[in-house]
Order: sequence, then C-alpha cells, then structure tokens
Amino acid sequence: QKEVEQDPGPLSVPEGAIVSLNCTYSNSAFQYFMWYRQYSRKGPELLMYTYSSGNKEDGRFTAQVDKSSKYISLFIRDSQPSDSATYLCAMKTSGSRLTFGEGTQLTVNP
Amino acid sequence: KAGVTQTPRYLIKTRGQQVTLSCSPISGHRSVSWYQQTPGQGLQFLFEYFSETQRNKGNFPGRFSGRQFSNSRSEMNVSTLELGDSALYLCASSFSGSRANVLTFGAGSRLTVL
Repeated sequence: QKEVEQDPGPLSVPEGAIVSLNCTYSNSAFQYFMWYRQYSRKGPELLMYTYSSGNKEDGRFTAQVDKSSKYISLFIRDSQPSDSATYLCAMKTSGSRLTFGEGTQLTVNP
Repeated sequence: KAGVTQTPRYLIKTRGQQVTLSCSPISGHRSVSWYQQTPGQGLQFLFEYFSETQRNKGNFPGRFSGRQFSNSRSEMNVSTLELGDSALYLCASSFSGSRANVLTFGAGSRLTVL
C-alpha cells in the first residue's frame, strides 16, 4: 500500500465550477503538507503549504488538512481553463524528502 | 531571480549506456534533491545533497548516483541504462533542506532509453 493515495482522475469540469482534490495518507509522522501544480512539460510548482490541521486560503485556492483522519484537500473556486494541469499532493516529516501522491489530472472546459 | 535550471532538457540513450544530468539551484540555495517521475510510479525521491554531502537517499539501485559541487550545482548519473529508467528527472532546491523550507523544482530532464 502506498503511503499517499490520490485519485489520478482524470477530472473534467466546466469553467466556474468548484473543484475538490483529495489525498489520504497512512504515515502519522507527516507534518508538512503541500499541493503542487504541474503543467505539461514543466516541473511542479508549489501552490499551497500547510503545517497544522485546519484551512489555509490563498485567492481561489483553499487547502484543508485533517490530521486526525489523515486526509488533505485542495479546493479551487471559480475554476478557469488555465487551471487545467496535474495537481500533486505532497507531504514530509522533516528535511526535504517529499512523498507525493500520484497526481490528479484536471481539465477545466471553457 | 533565476529558477532551478536543468540540462539537458531532453535526451535519448540506448540500453547499457550511461547518462549525466545537471542541475543549477536557485542562487543561495544549498540543498539539492532529485526525483524520478514516471506515469506508473509518480514522483519518487532519489537523493538529497547539502553542502556537497549526500544527506538522504531513496530506494534506487546503486546505478543511480549523484554529487554536489562547492557552488551547490549538482549532477546525477545513471549507469548501465535500462528501459525502465525512461522518465522525467526533476531537480529541486531549497535554502537548507530543513523541515520548513519548501522545494522549488526545475523543468526536468526527460530521458528516453531505447
């Protein structure tokens, strides 16, 4: 069983929809949680970074962490075609070694 | 501020050959990590270097090696290439690699092994 599980999709939504992306994990030692966005032929870029349980908002993006359930989510409000990409959850205990989910491929249709 | 630069961006090799990939981190960043990305396995950690020392290593065979130079630039080498080594190899840098530091990734080097 993988340490981090993420539904690979693909997920297709109309422009303006609210998108919900989720990951579950099994290692209770994970302390830091991230969401990366990866466009085709590019490297992952950091979207959100959280340490504790709760919500963190940045513009149209909201990250949620529930350590008790070992579950993290990313919500995208008013989704745009430019949001079409692969979204990767990532987490770590300490240092810089990240454990990634498989990634969810999202398409936002105009 | 320049980002993480990886060279070459694309390369094709044949089985049994070896390959060297290069990574120039963001100026001031001293930690460099390498990841392998494949459709089946996703992103997997290869190794991390800090101040020219390997600080952490993932579960890859000894054919995968790396090093870091005094200017923080890093190289990774894969010897005796196998078809399964075809992947996107990503380099990421951070200031110190400590738990609070975030990683910034380069665009990757896409290796195809024929």
